[in-house]
Amino acid sequence: DAKTTQPPSMDCAEGRAANLPCNHSTISGNEYVYWYRQIHSQGPQYIIHGLKNNETNEMASLIITEDRKSSTLILPHATLRDTAVYYCIVKDWSGNEKLTFGTGTRLTIIP
Amino acid sequence: NAGVTQTPKFRILKIGQSMTLQCTQDMNHNYMYWYRQDPGMGLKLIYYSVGAGITDKGEVPNGYNVSRSTTEDFPLRLELAAPSQTSVYFCASRVPLRDNEQCFGPGTRLTVL
Repeated sequence: DAKTTQPPSMDCAEGRAANLPCNHSTISGNEYVYWYRQIHSQGPQYIIHGLKNNETNEMASLIITEDRKSSTLILPHATLRDTAVYYCIVKDWSGNEKLTFGTGTRLTIIP
Repeated sequence: NAGVTQTPKFRILKIGQSMTLQCTQDMNHNYMYWYRQDPGMGLKLIYYSVGAGITDKGEVPNGYNVSRSTTEDFPLRLELAAPSQTSVYFCASRVPLRDNEQCFGPGTRLTVL
């Protein structure tokens, strides 16, 4: 699976859009981009995933660049409950069951 | 659905003791996983199972054993606890037909002294 690079930490004001970047320059054609988050002391929570098109669900939007070498997770109106560590994961369908969680981005929402 | 449940929430073991971490899911998911998370780190896969009676090693299986006699239950066994096994343990199951979306339990915080 391709390696991902994320900033270690970010702050965002409450009510503003939080934009979390992820670089995955070695991504291959059959690899998806997944985002999970982990609120303190809880298990990770799935947010969204995509292959090459932009995706949106009730939690967030995922923007993937045309060359697929980077992506951005957007939380449109951040709340204090969005304070968490956000993990960007690249994964294919090879049958390898390992989801590789790096150290992620610690997002702090400021009141 | 209760989702993925784990017991106990917390446990302190002495070196050399044994214990079983319980994991149950009521969503009829075939794929289940055990991860460990050390402080400040990401999750590492210990073992996984693709269905009842089938298990396989993950990234860090040494010191652990698993069994999968039913679809619902996937217990993780520590036979001889060591301080290096101090960690938070998460169980997860994979949502069918949802690519690699996994549902995680609340975790078990284990300390080995």
